[in-house]
Amino acid sequence: GAGVSQSPSNKVTEKGKDVELRCDPISGHTALYWYRQSLGQGLEFLIYFQGNSAPDKSGLPSDRFSAERTGGSVSTLTIQRTQQEDSAVYLCASSFRGLSGNTIYFGEGSWLTVV
Amino acid sequence: KNQVEQSPQSLIILEGKNCTLQCNYTVSPFSNLRWYKQDTGRGPVSLTIMTFSENTKSNGRYTATLDADTKQSSLHITASQLSDSASYICVVSASSVDYKLSFGAGTTVTVRA
Repeated sequence: GAGVSQSPSNKVTEKGKDVELRCDPISGHTALYWYRQSLGQGLEFLIYFQGNSAPDKSGLPSDRFSAERTGGSVSTLTIQRTQQEDSAVYLCASSFRGLSGNTIYFGEGSWLTVV
Repeated sequence: KNQVEQSPQSLIILEGKNCTLQCNYTVSPFSNLRWYKQDTGRGPVSLTIMTFSENTKSNGRYTATLDADTKQSSLHITASQLSDSASYICVVSASSVDYKLSFGAGTTVTVRA
């Protein structure tokens, strides 16, 4: 696609429910990133994919968070048993091969509110 | 402690004026430094990328500078426009883990007519 596409753009969920956030990267980009931006905070690294592999999952805040990528394209970030502190904007980004100095393109984010 | 510090936290300028945003970092070993513009409710958009050997890069009315020795960068906005109102984020990556970007908290710029 022309840009990084994320869905849903907004999600309100009840505490304890599971949510899935989807990211469709720019066509041809092998590197995909998930970040989280809490209100008034900077962006926080969650996970990085190179192709379908995730060499670094160290940013995932707890075992309630998981992510997968299939076909080297679409990625899904799943949050199980959501908590109020999970409320944030979840940003997906992609780049060509993840090489140093490559432009990283961000999606518009999925705004998650846990009530 | 955040490895990327930005200042000021926010600023207000009149349309047509210039302003300069600062970014100091401690990320090491350094790979590259990026400036992003983030409009309210939108995803960040890349303005510039600079590697160790580059000390200035321009993108229209935006000019970024980098001093890798002092680990400082600045973003200069010339002849500001109302559309420049946004958060400007300094992002630094280490050569060992380029994808694990270190983000500054951003400087919120408000341009007034």
